[in-house]
Amino acid sequence: EVQLVESGGGLVQPGGSLRLSCAASGFTFSSYEMNWVRQAPGKGLEWVSYISSSGSTIYYADSVKGRFTISRDNAKNSLYLQMNSLRAEDTAVYYCARDAVVPAAGFDYWGQGTLVTVSS
Amino acid sequence: EIVMTQSPATLSVSPGERATLSCRASQSVSSNLAWYQQKPGQAPRLLIYGASTRATGIPARFSGSGSGTEFTLTISSLQSEDFAVYYCQQYNNWPLTFGPGTKVDIK
Repeated sequence: EVQLVESGGGLVQPGGSLRLSCAASGFTFSSYEMNWVRQAPGKGLEWVSYISSSGSTIYYADSVKGRFTISRDNAKNSLYLQMNSLRAEDTAVYYCARDAVVPAAGFDYWGQGTLVTVSS
Repeated sequence: EIVMTQSPATLSVSPGERATLSCRASQSVSSNLAWYQQKPGQAPRLLIYGASTRATGIPARFSGSGSGTEFTLTISSLQSEDFAVYYCQQYNNWPLTFGPGTKVDIK
């Protein structure tokens, strides 16, 4: 069974940092492209970042570029999101999401999300 | 950035009725469009990809159509478990973008 389990969320002050993790199981993690998607309280979905299966290709939303860093450790079946210079508008549930095995087929598995709250 | 819009924002439907949700892209995304369903407190679930292909395990009452800039998600006969928020997403261009969602609630 495919499982994605996020962790690392919590309360952080504006300007602070946080590192999110996503532990993957039930599939060959190293073969899949991965993403982070966030959802502010009561709002819609916002794609945050993408990383290719090898980690060689990375994309970011403009809203986080220069502040967030996506990475992965295929040996540990883990995806990460390092978040620096956090702002109140970064408050959201952060989901890791797997690109479907079929090319260009959306995100077929999502984690349950981890809540990040940026507040003083 | 490709801007996705969805209409209506809220759709009130009786169980057993048909629901038609629209999604529009600010420029062509070919058929690189997905639909997701999200229920309160849950992660989104992939329903449709490639504009019209049902994801694994998705009931046949869900269907998608369209290409280019205009897309439609149809739920042929609403079941109680279908009341949720539906999002479209384009994955033709970076950055990937989602529509604001359509909430389908009980009439």
